Amino acid sequence: GESVGLHLPTLSVQEGDNSIINCAYSNSASDYFIWYKQESGKGPQFIIDIRSNMDKRQGQRVTVLLNKTVKHLSLQIAATQPGDSAVYFCADHTGSNDYKLSFGAGTTVTVRA
Amino acid sequence: NAGVMQNPRHLVRRRGQEARLRCSPMKGHSHVYWYRQLPEEGLKFMVYLQKENIIDESGMPKERFSAEFPKEGPSILRIQQVVRGDSAAYFCASSPLGQAEGEKLFFGSGTQLSVL
Repeated sequence: GESVGLHLPTLSVQEGDNSIINCAYSNSASDYFIWYKQESGKGPQFIIDIRSNMDKRQGQRVTVLLNKTVKHLSLQIAATQPGDSAVYFCADHTGSNDYKLSFGAGTTVTVRA
Repeated sequence: NAGVMQNPRHLVRRRGQEARLRCSPMKGHSHVYWYRQLPEEGLKFMVYLQKENIIDESGMPKERFSAEFPKEGPSILRIQQVVRGDSAAYFCASSPLGQAEGEKLFFGSGTQLSVL
């Protein structure tokens, strides 16, 4: 089965609000996690990553939280903009296969004006 | 510096025909990965190649599918005798090292294969 998965397939957010996208993983050996954004007709685009020795990492308008106890990570997008509308995937790999990513099914985020 | 280039963007084949998908990695990248994405699903790893070598093809079906990354030219994913179930988006990614590190791993825009 899949190593990672997302809780909700869709998320509708009002422009300007914060978005929270959740992801659960099952492989306790996973040591590296990435969030990707995929716009229609395009390949995944890197957003932010986090290693298992951290529990929080911040980027520009985005924050990733990792809870290893419950094998859960989330992506928070501050002040969501129309350009944030896309499908968001979490992905992970283990140190032994650090070239092979396992992707979840994705959450489609729609930003309402 | 051009990104990962995949062609064609769209490919239509009839059942039983062959599909050839091409991927030119970013300049300076010698590691190529192919992923397949079915509708409403995440990407699934297929194969990892370095120049002239297949490193890991554990995600690729044993029959009808093959991949290569020659010394010169693009990486090729070849699907023989296509069936409707092969219809999917095929993404190629490249990196300078053999690691899927977020900011060093770049994906192309994919080839959408449709089998009639």
